[in-house]
Amino acid sequence: EVQLLESGGGLVQPGGSLRLSCAASGFTFSSYAMSWVRQAPGRGLEWVSAISGSPGSTYYADSVKGRFTISRDTSKTTLYLQMNSLKAEDTAVYYCAKDFFAFDIWGQGTMVTVSS
Amino acid sequence: DIQMTQSPSTLSASVGDRVTITCRASQSISTWLAWYQQKPGKAPKLLIYKASSLGSGVPARFSGSGSGTEFTLTISSLQPDDFATYYCQQRDSYPYTFGQGTKLEIK
Repeated sequence: EVQLLESGGGLVQPGGSLRLSCAASGFTFSSYAMSWVRQAPGRGLEWVSAISGSPGSTYYADSVKGRFTISRDTSKTTLYLQMNSLKAEDTAVYYCAKDFFAFDIWGQGTMVTVSS
Repeated sequence: DIQMTQSPSTLSASVGDRVTITCRASQSISTWLAWYQQKPGKAPKLLIYKASSLGSGVPARFSGSGSGTEFTLTISSLQPDDFATYYCQQRDSYPYTFGQGTKLEIK
């Protein structure tokens, strides 16, 4: 079964850091681009970042550029999102998604709350 | 960045109705458009990719059309399970952008 499972969310103070993980299974992880998408409470979907299949070019939304870093470990079939200098407006559910012509598989999401 | 605009923002309809949601791109995206369905507290689900191709396991009552800057999602006969929020997304170029969503409510 194709599956994505996020972890690493939680409560963090403004200016703090957090690393999200997305464990993939059931497909050839290295062959697909992967993305992070977030959804603030009561709001719509916002694409955050993407990483292509090998060799792994990276892309970011302007709202997170310079603060977030996407990466992947193909040996562990895991996608990461390192989030630094967190702001209150980064509060959201973060989803990882497999990209094959569209986001065809999504994880269940992990909540990140940035608050003092 | 490419802006995506959906209309309407809210749509009230009854079971059995035919409904159409429109998505407009601020510049041509060919057919690089996807549609997703999201229910409260759940991850989005892919419905349509490349403007008109049905996602895996998606019922045939869902269809998509359009190219360039104007796209539509049509549900031919609404079922109780279809009341949800729908999003379009352009995949022509990064940053991939979503429409603001259309909430489909029971009339």
